[in-house]
Amino acid sequence: EAGVAQSPRYKIIEKRQSVAFWCNPISGHATLYWYQQILGQGPKLLIQFQNNGVVDDSQLPKDRFSAERLKGVDSTLKIQPAKLEDSAVYLCASSQARTSENTGELFFGEGSRLTVL
Amino acid sequence: DAKTTQPPSMDCAEGRAANLPCNHSTISGNEYVYWYRQIHSQGPQYIIHGLKNNETNEMASLIITEDRKSSTLILPHATLRDTAVYYCIVPNTPLVFGKGTRLSVIA
Repeated sequence: EAGVAQSPRYKIIEKRQSVAFWCNPISGHATLYWYQQILGQGPKLLIQFQNNGVVDDSQLPKDRFSAERLKGVDSTLKIQPAKLEDSAVYLCASSQARTSENTGELFFGEGSRLTVL
Repeated sequence: DAKTTQPPSMDCAEGRAANLPCNHSTISGNEYVYWYRQIHSQGPQYIIHGLKNNETNEMASLIITEDRKSSTLILPHATLRDTAVYYCIVPNTPLVFGKGTRLSVIA
């Protein structure tokens, strides 16, 4: 079974530039998450989708970050304009979340490492 | 904020059992305990989860105390490849990761 695919794996940009990350979840997984992981910290949720609808985006900095999942499958996370503090690994995860028991079982991609200079 | 407390780091000799503790004193009756690990430069990987009974799979064992206020993840024969950050999570909405325990397996 193919895992969660993310691209690009690495990206270096200047501050105030824009960047986009792409995620293809595991086939059939209705729930998709974007996490931000700053060096030395645990992953922090940015946004959660259920199919193509947003479930939680309370921690997404909406003045510069946007995310979409138009057809309920692939998702794109965009940052515009980027700041130095956006340097982090951006992780995409997906889950089936069919029962209350497995709502915590997420499958993560390898992440996209962003460096803002 | 994370609902769990873990030691920041632990060492374990290769081939020995690694016992990683986690406190979750505010857990409610129907909340599961999940464990993940994150090897350097990779995304987190699900290990195991449990409610109140002890659980075992091919990766690890999970021991949950009777009062459910703490648990221990056991890697029975740690290898160098088990060196990683281990996260104990009580799923909330959203799923919150703390800083985890950095386990170093030493040859």
